[in-house]
Amino acid sequence: NFMLTQPPSVSASPGKTVTISCTRSSGNIATTYVQWLQQRPGRAPTTVLFDDNERPSGVSDRFSGSYDTSSNSASLTISGLKTEDEAVYFCQSYDSSRVFGGGTRLTVL
Amino acid sequence: EVHLLASGGGLVQPGGSLRLSCAASALPFTSQAMDWVRQAPGKGLEWVSTISDHYSKTAYTDSVKGRFTISWDTSKHTLYLQMNSLTVEDSAVYFCVPYDISGRGYWGQGTLVTVSS
Repeated sequence: NFMLTQPPSVSASPGKTVTISCTRSSGNIATTYVQWLQQRPGRAPTTVLFDDNERPSGVSDRFSGSYDTSSNSASLTISGLKTEDEAVYFCQSYDSSRVFGGGTRLTVL
Repeated sequence: EVHLLASGGGLVQPGGSLRLSCAASALPFTSQAMDWVRQAPGKGLEWVSTISDHYSKTAYTDSVKGRFTISWDTSKHTLYLQMNSLTVEDSAVYFCVPYDISGRGYWGQGTLVTVSS
């Protein structure tokens, strides 16, 4: 199976835009959908994007997703950062089984 | 809003067993797959098991094969995870995650499993 690699941490100021990458180790990133999960401290994860770039109802349009086949990576972009966006973000995809990235801690300074 | 609650966790000695449950009767959709996912304290998310294809197909991560069994009780709309021969490495919060037809996962509160002597 493949692995998904995320940077351990990113930080940005309120109002700015941040992008979190998720690189697939083998196989084409475009062949299976990527989900993005948000986990605030002490809480269960929630889905912020599914099917690469679909937002569940109630999720702000400040969250968007994409992928780049040249780097075999998916990305989560959060614009107009708010302090409430501070959380750990996980990417997830699947092949013969579900695969999670290691998570990226977003700090909004 | 989907409300899910996993239950059945607790403290168990190494080598012991637990059965986790997840009541899914309030799901507003027919789930196309349901996962158990765990998270050790301070760690990331780890996929444990999936049941899919109208609850007929199962899959497990290698570390739990032969020890854990995922199942679905249609009459009770409840997902189970029978965990046997538990080790300290199985200690984690366990989440049940149903997926709708579009592939979106729904996460509820997990249940804590602590394996310790």
